[in-house]
Amino acid sequence: AQKVTQAQTEISVVEKEDVTLDCVYETRDTTYYLFWYKQPPSGELVFLIRRNSFDEQNEISGRYSWNFQKSTSSFNFTITASQVVDSAVYFCALRLYNFNKFYFGSGTKLNVKP
Amino acid sequence: DVKVTQSSRYLVKRTGEKVFLECVQDMDHENMFWYRQDPGLGLRLIYFSYDVKMKEKGDIPEGYSVSREKKERFSLILESASTNQTSMYLCASGLEHSEKLFFGSGTQLSVL
Repeated sequence: AQKVTQAQTEISVVEKEDVTLDCVYETRDTTYYLFWYKQPPSGELVFLIRRNSFDEQNEISGRYSWNFQKSTSSFNFTITASQVVDSAVYFCALRLYNFNKFYFGSGTKLNVKP
Repeated sequence: DVKVTQSSRYLVKRTGEKVFLECVQDMDHENMFWYRQDPGLGLRLIYFSYDVKMKEKGDIPEGYSVSREKKERFSLILESASTNQTSMYLCASGLEHSEKLFFGSGTQLSVL
C-alpha cells in the first residue's frame, strides 16, 4: 500500500526565516513520482514540482529547494527567506508510474508572519 | 493556461437533497478527478474518469456517483446528501499519464 505522511500539521515562522516542510512516503514500487502542491487561501492547488524515483538530484528554484532521499523515503521542501505570500497549505503527493491515482499527505499549513 | 472551473464556490444544501457538483476543464485532458478535502485528512479520492463514460471508484466512493458524458465535463452527484458530506470538494484534470494535476478552486459544500 502507498502512504504519504506530513507530520507537521502547522508551522509558523517570521518573514525571512528559512523553513523546511517534511514529507515521508511509503511504497514498494520502484518507479514512482513525487509531487509538491501549494494551496493558497483562494483554494486552488498549484503544482510546484515533480520528481521521478530515478532522479535523486536535489532541485532549486529561486527560494524553493527540494531534497529527495530514497534511503529515508523522504522528499522535503525548503523555503529560504520566507515571505508572507508563502503562507498556504502545502501538500506532498505520490503517484505510481503506471497508475493515475495520486496519494496525498494530510498537508502542512505554513503561516509566515510579517 | 489550463483552466479547471467548478460551478460553485460555496453551496448550502439540506439533508436528503440530490446535489450536483460540476467541473469543466478546457485543455482536452483525458483524466478527471474528484477529491474531498477535510482537515487533518488531506485529499481523498472519490472517483476518477480516464475517458468519456468511463469511471473508477477511488478510496471513498460511498454516497457518491459521477457522470462524464463529455470529455470536458465531470460531474459529482450526491444522491441523498448527508451532514457527513459537508466538506471541500476539489476537481482536478490531467493528461493521460497525469504527470501533474490541474485543480479547480474547490466547492465548499455545507449540508444542514
